[in-house]
Amino acid sequence: DQQVKQNSPSLSVQEGRISILNCDYTNSMFDYFLWYKKYPAEGPTFLISISSIKDKNEDGRFTVFLNKSAKHLSLHIVPSQPGDSAVYFCAAIGGGGADGLTFGKGTHLIIQP
Amino acid sequence: DTGVSQDPRHKITKRGQNVTFRCDPISEHNRLYWYRQTLGQGPEFLTYFQNEAQLEKSRLLSDRFSAERPKGSFSTLEIQRTEQGDSAMYLCASSPRTDRVEQYFGPGTRLTVT
Repeated sequence: DQQVKQNSPSLSVQEGRISILNCDYTNSMFDYFLWYKKYPAEGPTFLISISSIKDKNEDGRFTVFLNKSAKHLSLHIVPSQPGDSAVYFCAAIGGGGADGLTFGKGTHLIIQP
Repeated sequence: DTGVSQDPRHKITKRGQNVTFRCDPISEHNRLYWYRQTLGQGPEFLTYFQNEAQLEKSRLLSDRFSAERPKGSFSTLEIQRTEQGDSAMYLCASSPRTDRVEQYFGPGTRLTVT
């Protein structure tokens, strides 16, 4: 049973526009959510996180929104740049931060010139 | 560069052979994690160390898998009697301290079992 779901395998966005990546989860015990970016032949790179007690966290061009009642989070990238083309993974972690991350399957973001 | 390093980057082995991978975490990170990633999937958690103590193992970590972190610094992951289903990318990550949730990943070791 997949506890973290990214239902869009790919997303194409024009350069300069907003990219919105979505993630749903089923486990209400998760207390942090994270977004990672991955280029081919590299490990995932941490982007941004949000605590389950918050509904928004912003870092430069990246903003994550959390809707606990809907068990849904989204990553907004504004404005989108060519270097943002990568696979984006949503991940979650349980209480205490000691557990391993639970990842979604990823969304391949393609930024069109 | 003081990021997480992994060695080797690629390993091809024949079914039934044993393989060992090494991970060097970011200096002073006391938490170390191993993950496995197969094509089209996100990374899946295997095991976790705090200093030299192995605190958690996933059910994915069968008896053929063993991990160590003998002095609380680098870690090794050994797979005995490899099977074709073990072919995957093996990722290592480290994390600085208990009040930080983000984990920093290495480039991974790609294992191919023929």
